[in-house]
Amino acid sequence: DTEVTQTPKHLVMGMTNKKSLKCEQHMGHRAMYWYKQKAKKPPELMFVYSYEKLSINESVPSRFSPECPNSSLLNLHLHALQPEDSALYLCASSQPPGSQGYTFGSGTRLTVV
Amino acid sequence: AQSVTQLDSQVPVFEEAPVELRCNYSSSVSVYLFWYVQYPNQGLQLLLKYLSGSTLVKGINGFEAEFNKSQTSFHLRKPSVHISDTAEYFCAGSLTGNQFYFGTGTSLTVIP
Repeated sequence: DTEVTQTPKHLVMGMTNKKSLKCEQHMGHRAMYWYKQKAKKPPELMFVYSYEKLSINESVPSRFSPECPNSSLLNLHLHALQPEDSALYLCASSQPPGSQGYTFGSGTRLTVV
Repeated sequence: AQSVTQLDSQVPVFEEAPVELRCNYSSSVSVYLFWYVQYPNQGLQLLLKYLSGSTLVKGINGFEAEFNKSQTSFHLRKPSVHISDTAEYFCAGSLTGNQFYFGTGTSLTVIP
């Protein structure tokens, strides 16, 4: 298995909703990442987990809450989002430290209404 | 500070013509260099990577890139493009591997 699987593929949520994005990989990678990508822009790093511990938080607002339950799973919990948070959310994984490159999922297209 | 610069935001090219997508990096922060491709509504796919060793790197789909230390460049090339190569291409660099710095992207459009 050489894939990173993200669910759901599309999500529409209101500003008062709580939702979660899920990411799963079975490549034995011990580093996992969340990126946010706006249209026609490069991905922006949000969080890095290394060996199931949060190692990098790029000053992301607290309405985004990551969780790494085990080495194969990564969640992103969403609460009280704003319309400007609408974007493609990408998950990636790698072997630490990531110098061999990342494997990306297909992303979750999030729309906040 | 931006460590990877993609010089062209859009590159149109005719089918079966050669193409070069340009990328320059900051030598102070980029040790590992990568090219990724993103097709519409999809995630990023690794095309090729330079870690060390031979400066000419061959990747998937007939792409290759040359690491040039004196010019701090890592340009992506393909001798003959296909319609299916139409996509967004991102150059990325990393010092430690923990954080990638992506360029702003180059939109490649292959014209029939």
